[in-house]
Amino acid sequence: DARVTQTPRHKVTEMGQEVTMRCQPILGHNTVFWYRQTMMQGLELLAYFRNRAPLDDSGMPKDRFSAEMPDATLATLKIQPSEPRDSAVYFCASGPGSQETQYFGPGTRLLVL
Amino acid sequence: QKEVEQNSGPLSVPEGAIASLNCTYSDRVSQSFFWYRQYSGKSPELIMSIYSNGDKEDGRFTAQLNKASQYVSLLIRDSQPSDSATYLCAVNNGRQAGTALIFGKGTTLSVSS
Repeated sequence: DARVTQTPRHKVTEMGQEVTMRCQPILGHNTVFWYRQTMMQGLELLAYFRNRAPLDDSGMPKDRFSAEMPDATLATLKIQPSEPRDSAVYFCASGPGSQETQYFGPGTRLLVL
Repeated sequence: QKEVEQNSGPLSVPEGAIASLNCTYSDRVSQSFFWYRQYSGKSPELIMSIYSNGDKEDGRFTAQLNKASQYVSLLIRDSQPSDSATYLCAVNNGRQAGTALIFGKGTTLSVSS
């Protein structure tokens, strides 16, 4: 059963600390998305990659957020330094690229104190 | 800015009734439309996709698309308590296949037994 996996599932940290979230897309999917979900804003696109190249990161605060795909099986999202307003659920999703169908991972629930 | 609008609800229906969820979108060039279901504390799960005007049926679910009116809907027949969730409408961002999705903030459905 192919699934997107994300680690960690939960993260509690203090303001100013670095946070790294990891995602393993479904094998064979060449498009990877990072979303953030909050009650107020809903599901917001932060960045996405195709064939490991960044296509759009306009939704990401550039001064503190960075997203990379070191290889086809790993995507990372880093926040440095973290702030309380970054508290949210961060989802990774992957898709086959030829269409828009996306499959979501279980998410990382981040709380910044 | 491209937008996807949904009534936040909650939409309350009795068990066995038809639930009707609606969505409008602002970008006329959008070609692909999706409905995701999200249970509380879980990740979004794809339940329907639709690309052409008209109706598309899958079990108890029917998606309806009217591109001229920029309107997408989801009908759930014979609603069950297990259908209680938030339903997210998503629309592709652009003409090209494989682009990112824009999500509405979701409609919360409550099915009472």
